[in-house]
Amino acid sequence: SQTIHQWPATLVQPVGSPLSLECTVEGTSNPNLYWYRQAAGRGLQLLFYSVGIGQISSEVPQNLSASRPQDRQFILSSKKLLLSDSGFYLCAWSATDYEQYFGPGTRLTVT
Amino acid sequence: GESVGLHLPTLSVQEGDNSIINCAYSNSASDYFIWYKQESGKGPQFIIDIRSNMDKRQGQRVTVLLNKTVKHLSLQIAATQPGDSAVYFCAVYSGAGSYQLTFGKGTKLSVIP
Repeated sequence: SQTIHQWPATLVQPVGSPLSLECTVEGTSNPNLYWYRQAAGRGLQLLFYSVGIGQISSEVPQNLSASRPQDRQFILSSKKLLLSDSGFYLCAWSATDYEQYFGPGTRLTVT
Repeated sequence: GESVGLHLPTLSVQEGDNSIINCAYSNSASDYFIWYKQESGKGPQFIIDIRSNMDKRQGQRVTVLLNKTVKHLSLQIAATQPGDSAVYFCAVYSGAGSYQLTFGKGTKLSVIP
């Protein structure tokens, strides 16, 4: 069966520091991968998606970036965090255009 | 673009009663709909989906109804249990190849024992 991992689970970082969140998927090949952000009490906002290694599409211009160095690895990065980057970051995968399955999430607090 | 609206941000039901959570969408070309359950501090969990060529689909204790005429979607939970307490989101695909699910803001379901 397929599983999706995210780490770290929680992170507290000062403003201006870099960020690297990692997501890996097991049990499937060539998945579509997604990064979402969820602000407190809000819905999910799609940040990036990838249909293959090195292929990244950005949905929201901001100071975050994403990379997909391997088929089942998706990384969310920032060179300098802002206070507004705080939130719950979720990685998801899908085998097709349809069902997306989410990881456990990373709670990021920028101080 | 697609927008997904919320009918009620919170819903409280007595344990054992049925729950109905509603969602509205804007794009008549939307062809696939998903309901997710999110418990506090966790990622959303897939519950049930429905395609636009159907108007009803049933799972274990859950039923999704789709009314394309009024662009309305509902999730019915039978015999609601304390473990059903969570935030429920509907998500809508705007067409094949779009890759983008548009999420509603969610309904927080509280089950009263």
